[in-house]
Amino acid sequence: GESVGLHLPTLSVQEGDNSIINCAYSNSASDYFIWYKQESGKGPQFIIDIRSNMDKRQGQRVTVLLNKTVKHLSLQIAATQPGDSAVYFCAENQAAGNKLTFGGGTRVLVKP
Amino acid sequence: DTAVSQTPKYLVTQMGNDKSIKCEQNLGHDTMYWYKQDSKKFLKIMFSYNNKELIINETVPNRFSPKSPDKAHLNLHINSLELGDSAVYFCASSQGQGAVEQYFGPGTRLTVT
Repeated sequence: GESVGLHLPTLSVQEGDNSIINCAYSNSASDYFIWYKQESGKGPQFIIDIRSNMDKRQGQRVTVLLNKTVKHLSLQIAATQPGDSAVYFCAENQAAGNKLTFGGGTRVLVKP
Repeated sequence: DTAVSQTPKYLVTQMGNDKSIKCEQNLGHDTMYWYKQDSKKFLKIMFSYNNKELIINETVPNRFSPKSPDKAHLNLHINSLELGDSAVYFCASSQGQGAVEQYFGPGTRLTVT
């Protein structure tokens, strides 16, 4: 079946370095791709989304890249901070489906 | 000021019991959801309601029965609890069905013994 998944389950990064979290997807019909952040003991929190007709979108310290040719999505976090330690999920949305489908999550650990 | 709240935060119960989880949102959203997150952090939608109407029922056992008394509330009742029901259950809300930006509650950790 079609799914959204992640390459790396855990990513350790030095404070101040840039982080890159990767996600592979297989559903070409998705309209949006989204990144969520889940801190320990909390619910997921929306970070940024990108429409399927775009290849790059920037937010505050984050950039999402979409490569439709290889069905790959990435989230780049600039100057990673301790508060960025969390589990990051990619998700996809089909307007017709009325729902989000989440990938398996990547844990980011920021080392001081 | 909490946007999406759930009660209880922790729920420990024995197999066969019936339990409920409550959810309230004060964001004025028209759509609410229940998600289940397993021990491997995999997050999967269970139900969604739009204006109190059931929109999505993701092949969840009929032991799970959501109820939406109004747009701001979505409760989840679980009958005859099983060990496999142990998970963290998240309520979420959004403006519009299947919106990319959903607001999640803090979760309810259910442990069935």
